[in-house]
Amino acid sequence: SQTIHQWPATLVQPVGSPLSLECTVEGTSNPNLYWYRQAAGRGLQLLFYSVGIGQISSEVPQNLSASRPQDRQFILSSKKLLLSDSGFYLCAWSQLYGNQPQHFGDGTRLSIL
Amino acid sequence: RKEVEQDPGPFNVPEGATVAFNCTYSNSASQSFFWYRQDCRKEPKLLMSVYSSGNEDGRFTAQLNRASQYISLLIRDSKLSDSATYLCVVNGPGNQFYFGTGTSLTVIP
Repeated sequence: SQTIHQWPATLVQPVGSPLSLECTVEGTSNPNLYWYRQAAGRGLQLLFYSVGIGQISSEVPQNLSASRPQDRQFILSSKKLLLSDSGFYLCAWSQLYGNQPQHFGDGTRLSIL
Repeated sequence: RKEVEQDPGPFNVPEGATVAFNCTYSNSASQSFFWYRQDCRKEPKLLMSVYSSGNEDGRFTAQLNRASQYISLLIRDSKLSDSATYLCVVNGPGNQFYFGTGTSLTVIP
């Protein structure tokens, strides 16, 4: 069966510090991968999605970036965090085809001080 | 216009009640539909897919109306453990997923 791992679960970072969140998927090949952010009490905002290694699409302008160095690895990064980057970050995967649902990692709760 | 719209609620219902949530979507080319459940400070979890013929899973029934572009979720015999936010999700062209903002449900003893 497929599983998705996302870490860390919680992170507290000072403004201006770098960020690296990692997500890996097991048990499937060529998944679509996604990064979302959810502000407190708000809906999910799609940040990035990837249909293959090295292929990243960005949905919103921001100081975050994403990379997919391997088929089942998706990394969210920032060189300098802003206060507004606080939130709940979720990684998700879906099958490449077939109208299948997304499945989410446990999420990372990021607080910027 | 938003891709997916939901009534945010909150819905506060007594145990044992039946509650229904609706959701509308704007893109008629949307291909698949889902309901997710999200507990406070947790990730969304797939509750059920929604098929054109309608489908049922225990106390939960999902229906799709393509002509009117809405989907619904019916929860019968509500339990305290059903308290959560329910997210309507639509999969459109290009395998893009569009999320509603969620409907909050609280089941009261």
